[in-house]
Amino acid sequence: EAQVTQNPRYLITVTGKKLTVTCSQNMNHEYMSWYRQDPGLGLRQIYYSMNVEVTDKGDVPEGYKVSRKEKRNFPLILESPSPNQTSLYFCASSLTEFYEQYFGPGTRLTVT
Amino acid sequence: QKEVEQNSGPLSVPEGAIASLNCTYSDRGSQSFFWYRQYSGKSPELIMFIYSNGDKEDGRFTAQLNKASQYVSLLIRDSQPSDSATYLCAVATGNQFYFGTGTSLTVIP
Repeated sequence: EAQVTQNPRYLITVTGKKLTVTCSQNMNHEYMSWYRQDPGLGLRQIYYSMNVEVTDKGDVPEGYKVSRKEKRNFPLILESPSPNQTSLYFCASSLTEFYEQYFGPGTRLTVT
Repeated sequence: QKEVEQNSGPLSVPEGAIASLNCTYSDRGSQSFFWYRQYSGKSPELIMFIYSNGDKEDGRFTAQLNKASQYVSLLIRDSQPSDSATYLCAVATGNQFYFGTGTSLTVIP
């Protein structure tokens, strides 16, 4: 089954404790990206990757890191999480930057 | 100015009616346009993808794109209660995707 998977689905952590949210797709897509979704602000792109070893900042990259060492995986790293990073996070992938994105199930992160 | 703007609603229509959702975008260089549906707490799912001017129909859904006026719309015919959700307009511009804040639709049985 073609899909984007994310783990964990729910995470409660404390300020400053490094965490990684994994994302994997099995569709051989070139383009992958991370979004956060907040009430009233909609989906905002954090980082995106157009191919292996190629990553770029989206609109809200501060406090996040990503890497793309393999085509299928695109982890999101929060080196020192803060409460303002409490949000619903989605990973997505698409064939290229022109085509529809397929979303993972989401990760609800709470930072206390 | 936001890249993509939508009326937040809420929009209510009776079952069987046509629901009309609108979206405007700011960058004339935008290449591809999408409508997603999102149920509360779930991930967005693609409804329509359009990239050339005019209409595109898929079942009860019709997307309309007017690049000169920089708007894209979605019509839902014969609306069903199961269509009640938030509808997100998205635009591919450069190498990025931009989403509107969504329009909440309620279909009243």
